[in-house]
Amino acid sequence: AQKITQTQPGMFVQEKEAVTLDCTYDTSDQSYGLFWYKQPSSGEMIFLIYQGSYDEQNATEGRYSLNFQKARKSANLVISASQLGDSAMYFCAMRATGGFKTIFGAGTRLFVKA
Amino acid sequence: GAVVSQHPSRVICKSGTSVKIECRSLDFQATTMFWYRQFPKQSLMLMATSNEGSKATYEQGVEKDKFLINHASLTLSTLTVTSAHPEDSSFYICSAPDRGVVGYTFGSGTRLTVV
Repeated sequence: AQKITQTQPGMFVQEKEAVTLDCTYDTSDQSYGLFWYKQPSSGEMIFLIYQGSYDEQNATEGRYSLNFQKARKSANLVISASQLGDSAMYFCAMRATGGFKTIFGAGTRLFVKA
Repeated sequence: GAVVSQHPSRVICKSGTSVKIECRSLDFQATTMFWYRQFPKQSLMLMATSNEGSKATYEQGVEKDKFLINHASLTLSTLTVTSAHPEDSSFYICSAPDRGVVGYTFGSGTRLTVV
C-alpha cells in the first residue's frame, strides 16, 4: 500500500528566507513519481514540481526544489526566497509509474511573514 | 496548457435536493476523471474514477447511489450529489490526466453547502 506522511501541520517563514516542507512516503512500487502541489485559499490545486523515482538529480523549478532521498523515502520541498504569495497549503503526493491514482499527504500550511 | 473547467465554483442547496457539478476538459480529451472530496483543513480524498463510456469506479466507503458520476463524453464528467444533506457539505474537485502534463490538471473546485 502507498502512504504519504507530512508531519508539519503548519510552518512559519520570514519573507525572503528559505523553508523546507517535509514529506516521507512508503510504497512497494519500484517505479513511482512524487509531486508537490500548492493550494491557495481559493482552492485550486497548482502543480509545482515532480520527481521520478529513478531520476538521479533532484528536481528544480524556479524557486522550488525537491530534496529527494530515496533510501530514506523522503521528498522534501524547498522553497527559496519566500514570498507573501507563497502562503498556502502544500500537499505532497505520489503515483506509481504507469498508474493513474494519486495519493496525497495531509498537507502543510505555510505562513509567510512580512 | 491543459485546463479543466469546473462549475459551479460555489453552490448552496437545500437538504433533499440534488446538485450537479461539471468538469469539462478544454483543449484535450479526458478519458479519465478523478473526483476528490476535501473537508476543511484536510487532504484530498479520492471518491471515484470515471472513465468515458464505462461505469465509474468508486472508492471504498463512497455511496454510489448518493454520488452519481457520469462521463458522457471525452471532455465532460459530472458528479451529482443526490438528496443532499448537511454532512455532504464539502469541497469537491476533479482532476484529469493529460499526456503533456505530468502533474495532472485540476479543476478549480466546487464548494458545496447544504442547508
